[in-house]
Amino acid sequence: NAGVTQTPKFRVLKTGQSMTLLCAQDMNHEYMYWYRQDPGMGLRLIHYSVGEGTTAKGEVPDGYNVSRLKKQNFLLGLESAAPSQTSVYFCASTKAAGTNEQFFGPGTRLTVL
Amino acid sequence: DQQVKQNSPSLSVQEGRISILNCDYTNSMFDYFLWYKKYPAEGPTFLISISSIKDKNEDGRFTVFLNKSAKHLSLHIVPSQPGDSAVYFCAASAQSNNNDMRFGAGTRLTVKP
Repeated sequence: NAGVTQTPKFRVLKTGQSMTLLCAQDMNHEYMYWYRQDPGMGLRLIHYSVGEGTTAKGEVPDGYNVSRLKKQNFLLGLESAAPSQTSVYFCASTKAAGTNEQFFGPGTRLTVL
Repeated sequence: DQQVKQNSPSLSVQEGRISILNCDYTNSMFDYFLWYKKYPAEGPTFLISISSIKDKNEDGRFTVFLNKSAKHLSLHIVPSQPGDSAVYFCAASAQSNNNDMRFGAGTRLTVKP
């Protein structure tokens, strides 16, 4: 089992460029999450999904879009990157609601110039 | 606003001694609390959790204490080992929306041999 994987590991963008971060999990988990981590702050929830074809906003959704076309994949898109989106992005998954232990991927470090 | 706070950015202890990491929260709706451990260049991994119906949960060298009236929890590691050196995140969620987990900013623990 690879667990939760994220692609790419690092990326540098220019302001206004777009990109998609891919998260994949092989644990058959229903719930998937995208977080960002900034210095001096905890992880903040961007968007989440409670199942294939569903998505919902988290604490800091602005500037991001997500899609969950397949159960095992959760994509995070930046349509027009801004320097404020420079961060480390973590994807996580969990089996079901109430089972709050989340399994995290290794992270994607994104720099927007 | 940060609903989960870890006021100590760092903590250094001697191998074999006790490590105590603290966490405070402001949202009285939180009823489930977790600690995650994070090594550099890796995603957080689940360590231990506690429900609000308990005031203590123990797992090997790790014990979490919850004081609901003070809205405070702590993680005790006894005895501390050099391999425990990592960043520890406190997290909390409410049953009403257990997908919206809030994290503290983390405490970097260094255990010196």
